[in-house]
Amino acid sequence: GENVEQHPSTLSVQEGDSAVIKCTYSDSASNYFPWYKQELGKRPQLIIDIRSNVGEKKDQRIAVTLNKTAKHFSLHITETQPEDSAVYFCAASIPPGAGSYQLTFGKGTKLSVIP
Amino acid sequence: NAGVTQTPKFRVLKTGQSMTLLCAQDMNHEYMYWYRQDPGMGLRLIHYSVGEGTTAKGEVPDGYNVSRLKKQNFLLGLESAAPSQTSVYFCASRDYRDGSPLHFGNGTRLTVT
Repeated sequence: GENVEQHPSTLSVQEGDSAVIKCTYSDSASNYFPWYKQELGKRPQLIIDIRSNVGEKKDQRIAVTLNKTAKHFSLHITETQPEDSAVYFCAASIPPGAGSYQLTFGKGTKLSVIP
Repeated sequence: NAGVTQTPKFRVLKTGQSMTLLCAQDMNHEYMYWYRQDPGMGLRLIHYSVGEGTTAKGEVPDGYNVSRLKKQNFLLGLESAAPSQTSVYFCASRDYRDGSPLHFGNGTRLTVT
């Protein structure tokens, strides 16, 4: 099955700096890559996602890039703010038509933004 | 729309007791999932369902059972709770279409003493 590795497990940045979180996946059939943000004591919430026919997607201060050849994708947060402090999870999904119905998650990155 | 609703929010059980966690979604989603979240372990899939009346095992199914008698509900049962089942449990649902995101409930914090 699919395996997703996420790095780093913890990341501290100064307010205003950029943060980058990287994930690799194992199954070349994966075609959907969402990112979730989980604040302390709350549920994971989708912040951005990308499909395999797109190399990059941006939404204000966050962006995701995908390299299908290398099987890795990254989350970029620019101009970080204290409210960006949270745990971030990447995930990968094989199309349901291929017989898999699961999202496989990375183990998470705890991002701390220092004011 | 309420989205995905989980009950209860908190529960304390003694070893050997049983309980059922209820998940309800009002988005007409086909797929529903139960995850557990432990420190440093990320989200691990317990069981999932791709439609009413169907269930399948995930990564960590032992000690749990599930049922999906109605499309909108997905129940997670612990027949004989163990301290190793102390965790935060999240239910999630998604549409059947390719590339649909997961929608999570608010979680249930379970402690087994």
